[in-house]
Amino acid sequence: GAVVSQHPSWVICKSGTSVKIECRSLDFQATTMFWYRQFPKQSLMLMATSNEGSKATYEQGVEKDKFLINHASLTLSTLTVTSAHPEDSSFYICSAREVENTGELFFGEGSRLTVL
Amino acid sequence: KQEVTQIPAALSVPEGENLVLNCSFTDSAIYNLQWFRQDPGKGLTSLLLIQSSQREQTSGRLNASLDKSSGRSTLYIAASQPGDSATYLCAVRTVGNQFYFGTGTSLTVIP
Repeated sequence: GAVVSQHPSWVICKSGTSVKIECRSLDFQATTMFWYRQFPKQSLMLMATSNEGSKATYEQGVEKDKFLINHASLTLSTLTVTSAHPEDSSFYICSAREVENTGELFFGEGSRLTVL
Repeated sequence: KQEVTQIPAALSVPEGENLVLNCSFTDSAIYNLQWFRQDPGKGLTSLLLIQSSQREQTSGRLNASLDKSSGRSTLYIAASQPGDSATYLCAVRTVGNQFYFGTGTSLTVIP
């Protein structure tokens, strides 16, 4: 299957700093990517839908100024957690939808963010 | 709004058993349904994708079926192995291009 690469896998930062997480589709173009947050032992919570060349669509309750999403190319979307606080500590996962063939959804390996 | 339910939430079986995981969804207007596996602290790995026009898909020891009219999908795992231990999630993609995930079934295969 197609590969989605997410970086970094682990990040620890101080409260008040900003952290950027990258999501890349390695062998296909993705006009749409999705960002999720996952709490322990829970399913995925969709945060936003990232559209190449346009503004992201945020789910209700997700602060767009706190979670900045940029989808500058057909293979890269970034999520920046701005002014991170300990409550932002979580597992963040991106996915990309393969448009050309089946529309199958592929996921990155996730990024564990810990804010001290 | 589409709701996706997975039962059971957790399942523990001895190695070698065949098992079935269930996924139910409330709105049959779906584009496709996808089964994923998630290992602890990892992302999701796609296992099988069933288009709305299909009834089942097979990959190795895995077989997924789809009954759109009744809002059900099952994932059948044959001859389970300890390496199959993981959380299994189903997700439906609606015709409106939204994805809805179930809460997952945590599977433990005991050697």
